[in-house]
Amino acid sequence: EAGVAQSPRYKIIEKRQSVAFWCNPISGHATLYWYQQILGQGPKLLIQFQNNGVVDDSQLPKDRFSAERLKGVDSTLKIQPAKLEDSAVYLCASTQERNTGELFFGEGSRLTVL
Amino acid sequence: DQQVKQNSPSLSVQEGRISILNCDYTNSMFDYFLWYKKYPAEGPTFLISISSIKDKNEDGRFTVFLNKSAKHLSLHIVPSQPGDSAVYFCAARPKYIFGTGTRLKVLA
Repeated sequence: EAGVAQSPRYKIIEKRQSVAFWCNPISGHATLYWYQQILGQGPKLLIQFQNNGVVDDSQLPKDRFSAERLKGVDSTLKIQPAKLEDSAVYLCASTQERNTGELFFGEGSRLTVL
Repeated sequence: DQQVKQNSPSLSVQEGRISILNCDYTNSMFDYFLWYKKYPAEGPTFLISISSIKDKNEDGRFTVFLNKSAKHLSLHIVPSQPGDSAVYFCAARPKYIFGTGTRLKVLA
């Protein structure tokens, strides 16, 4: 069974530029999560999708972050414009059903904002 | 408001001895607790979980204990091995809220 795929693995941009991260969850997993992990901290939930609908985006900085999961499969997280404090690893995770089971994580996308 | 806390940022243990990692939580509505292990440059991987209606779950060298009255859980690794060196996160469902992690170093 293929795991959660994420790209790119690494990205370096200057502040005020834009960046996009892509995630393809495990096949058949209806629930998809994006987390932000800043160095030395635990993963912080940004947004949760159930199929192609948003379940929870209460911690997503909506003035600069956006995410979509148009066909209920893969998802894109965008940051525009980026700030220095957005430097972090962006982790995508999926579960088969909402709020049950374990999260399966991708390897993450490391963003450095200069 | 940190609902899941891991107060020890790091822990060093000799190979073969017991490692005990601790986690505290504040929300009584959490129904499941999970432990994840993370190596550098990799995503977290699931290790073991426990339902809020149980007080112990064991899987090989890993045991998780839950004390609901104290809102405290702990992960025991016996015996510890150098390959266990990683960052360990506890997480709480239903919202999958993570703690800040504990870096475990097992010394050979």
